Amino acid sequence: AQTVTQSQPEMSVQEAETVTLSCTYDTSENNYYLFWYKQPPSRQMILVIRQEAYKQQNATENRFSVNFQKAAKSFSLKISDSQLGDTAMYFCAFMTRRRMNSGYSTLTFGKGTMLLVSP
Amino acid sequence: DTGVSQNPRHKITKRGQNVTFRCDPISEHNRLYWYRQTLGQGPEFLTYFQNEAQLEKSRLLSDRFSAERPKGSFSTLEIQRTEQGDSAMYLCASSLAPSGNTGELFFGEGSRLTVL
Repeated sequence: AQTVTQSQPEMSVQEAETVTLSCTYDTSENNYYLFWYKQPPSRQMILVIRQEAYKQQNATENRFSVNFQKAAKSFSLKISDSQLGDTAMYFCAFMTRRRMNSGYSTLTFGKGTMLLVSP
Repeated sequence: DTGVSQNPRHKITKRGQNVTFRCDPISEHNRLYWYRQTLGQGPEFLTYFQNEAQLEKSRLLSDRFSAERPKGSFSTLEIQRTEQGDSAMYLCASSLAPSGNTGELFFGEGSRLTVL
């Protein structure tokens, strides 16, 4: 079974600053995907960034980047130049590649980190 | 079609009553998922459809829960004889498979259930 651990229930950052959210996971699989999803208050969850485990290069999407350490099973999210609209619950999630290619797939989520961006 | 739609958004019911939630996925998506999210927790997988076939069910899905996707389009999640422990946000998500599957799930805003 896969588990995802987010050890920071809440984080605060000021506008324009940089913040890093932590995530560790446990799996015996070798091929998998990792995701960060964002859930703003009372709004739907949306994908922030995605990392394929077989790619060594860390994924980047504009102000969002990850630090993927496969051996350590760590997948942190860095948000640069934080904006008020980044205030949300952030979930780290895991999906095995085998399961995805076999025709069905499920995400395993961590408990989330509530990020508050203040002016 | 602008996204995944869920109805009702909020439902308050008394213990023992039945409730039904509806999910309309993004029109071209053939995969549909139900998740449950309780306070302070991440979403937990309940069940999954590919077209009209229910391919996987979690152990969380007791026999009081039933989900359908009769024509491979919208889906319903029914909870019979509700219990207070069923109070949660029920999330629906959809995705496109197999081609073009990046693993991304598109979520609705959820249906919040409160059982008194």
